[in-house]
Amino acid sequence: GENVEQHPSTLSVQEGDSAVIKCTYSDSASNYFPWYKQELGKRPQLIIDIRSNVGEKKDQRIAVTLNKTAKHFSLHITETQPEDSAVYFCAASWKTSYDKVIFGPGTSLSVIP
Amino acid sequence: DAGVIQSPRHEVTEMGQEVTLRCKPISGHNSLFWYRQTMMRGLELLIYFNNNVPIDDSGMPEDRFSAKMPNASFSTLKIQPSEPRDSAVYFCASRRNQETQYFGPGTRLLVL
Repeated sequence: GENVEQHPSTLSVQEGDSAVIKCTYSDSASNYFPWYKQELGKRPQLIIDIRSNVGEKKDQRIAVTLNKTAKHFSLHITETQPEDSAVYFCAASWKTSYDKVIFGPGTSLSVIP
Repeated sequence: DAGVIQSPRHEVTEMGQEVTLRCKPISGHNSLFWYRQTMMRGLELLIYFNNNVPIDDSGMPEDRFSAKMPNASFSTLKIQPSEPRDSAVYFCASRRNQETQYFGPGTRLLVL
């Protein structure tokens, strides 16, 4: 069935270091991969997304890479700041399922000043 | 646009009572999703609608849960009877086709 796995479940980095979160998906028909950031007590909000026809996308300190063959994608945050501390969710979607979106279990990122 | 609107924002009820959560999606969005979030189970997809039609309700925990979408601008998630284990944050989200999915602010439900 459809499934999205995410690792690690928790991640602690020093301010200024990089953070990498990895996800794998089960359905090869998946064609859209968003990443959401959820701060404590707030709703998940989209920070970056990538479609299956692109291998990499970057937005300032955030980048996402996609390997369709291996069915995995990753979030890279460079020069981390304390305000990057949050829970990050990866997700996968595919058109054949009427735009269903499946989320990974989340990664709790702590950036230590 | 006001974004996805959910009500109530907080709900405290006693076990056995009926709970109704409401959602207004972003105008023009044709898919609507109900999620439940807990520490133990993360963000679970309960049910989603496409063009007001329920497509997949396999995530609905049991018959006590039901959801409706009578028109393109309104959806409800009902729990009857509620139980303490239903305590969670319930998010509604909407999107248009394969574009960005936007979440509402959530409803924090506490069942005593």
